[in-house]
Amino acid sequence: AQTVTQSQPEMSVQEAETVTLSCTYDTSESDYYLFWYKQPPSRQMILVIRQEAYKQQNATENRFSVNFQKAAKSFSLKISDSQLGDAAMYFCAYRIIQGAQKLVFGQGTRLTINP
Amino acid sequence: GAGVSQSPRYKVAKRGQDVALRCDPISGHVSLFWYQQALGQGPEFLTYFQNEAQLDKSGLPSDRFFAERPEGSVSTLKIQRTQQEDSAVYLCASTLGGTTYGYTFGSGTRLTVV
Repeated sequence: AQTVTQSQPEMSVQEAETVTLSCTYDTSESDYYLFWYKQPPSRQMILVIRQEAYKQQNATENRFSVNFQKAAKSFSLKISDSQLGDAAMYFCAYRIIQGAQKLVFGQGTRLTINP
Repeated sequence: GAGVSQSPRYKVAKRGQDVALRCDPISGHVSLFWYQQALGQGPEFLTYFQNEAQLDKSGLPSDRFFAERPEGSVSTLKIQRTQQEDSAVYLCASTLGGTTYGYTFGSGTRLTVV
């Protein structure tokens, strides 16, 4: 069974600084997607960034980038120039490409931005 | 609609009551998912529909939980004889289906069983 682990229940960072959130996963599949979702108090999951496992290049979306280490099954999220609006719960998630479309989520990391 | 709509936003039920939670997905989205998110935890998969067919219900925690999507659009998650451990946020998500990764989530229903 696939599992996703986020070992940091809480993280905090000063505004404008950089923070890295960790995620590891376990799977026997070779083709899959990895995601980082943000969940503000409104509860709606918002996609931050995604990575296809077959792509070696790390995904980047503006201030958000990932460090994808397939052999180590590690998928960390780096947030640069942190802003107050980045404060939220962040969830790492996984799904295989073919077959079951369900997302498997980690336990989440609560990110606090200090002004 | 423009997004996934869930209702009610909040529901308080007395233990033993039956509840029904509604999800209205994005028009044209084939796949629909229900997740249960306990306080301070990540969402956990409950069930999945492709159109009106329920293809995976492996995550439903007991036979008190039942989901349907009779016309392949709106879905209802029903919980019978609610118990305190059912208290959670219930999230719905929809996608076009297949290998697409464009999940759109609703804002969930927070169920509190007292």
